[in-house]
Amino acid sequence: GNSVTQMEGPVTLSEEAFLTINCTYTATGYPSLFWYVQYPGEGLQLLLKATKADDKGSNKGFEATYRKETTSFHLEKGSVQVSDSAVYFCALSYNTDKLIFGTGTRLQVFP
Amino acid sequence: GAGVSQSPRYKVAKRGQDVALRCDPISGHVSLFWYQQALGQGPEFLTYFQNEAQLDKSGLPSDRFFAERPEGSVSTLKIQRTQQEDSAVYLCASSPYRVANTEAFFGQGTRLTVV
Repeated sequence: GNSVTQMEGPVTLSEEAFLTINCTYTATGYPSLFWYVQYPGEGLQLLLKATKADDKGSNKGFEATYRKETTSFHLEKGSVQVSDSAVYFCALSYNTDKLIFGTGTRLQVFP
Repeated sequence: GAGVSQSPRYKVAKRGQDVALRCDPISGHVSLFWYQQALGQGPEFLTYFQNEAQLDKSGLPSDRFFAERPEGSVSTLKIQRTQQEDSAVYLCASSPYRVANTEAFFGQGTRLTVV
């Protein structure tokens, strides 16, 4: 079946460090891929998405590229801020309306 | 309001009690989803409505779980005879149409604790 695997957290970084959160997926065909973010005390928010192979989603300095050959959608940011501390969820949606989420990766950024 | 609203935010139920969780989606959104998020896990799909039609209920874990959206707007998730394993955050999301191409907007969730 379709599934998403994320790297386990927490990821702990100093401010201005480079961030990578790995995400790989298993799916038949060509799903759409998403990163959602959950800030403390808030609901899930869409961070970025890509709907076809080689597409790059970007928002707020975060980027992720849809890599069909490696079935990956890794999240990157060149310089993290304390305000980026949150839980990040990779997800896919394939030929149905539901989202299939990974288990989430907690990011903690310290000044 | 501008976003998806869920109530109550917190619910404590005694084992065996029935509960009802409410979701007010963004006005005009056609699609509505319910997800269950256990502690330390990602959300897992429960059920999906397009307007008032429940098109997918494959994620409902047992026949104790029931969802409705009678007028294509507000939705209620009902859990009968709650069990401890039902303890989780229940998330509602709405979308203008199909999630594959559009953003799903999530509410803050209802945290259910069964004691």
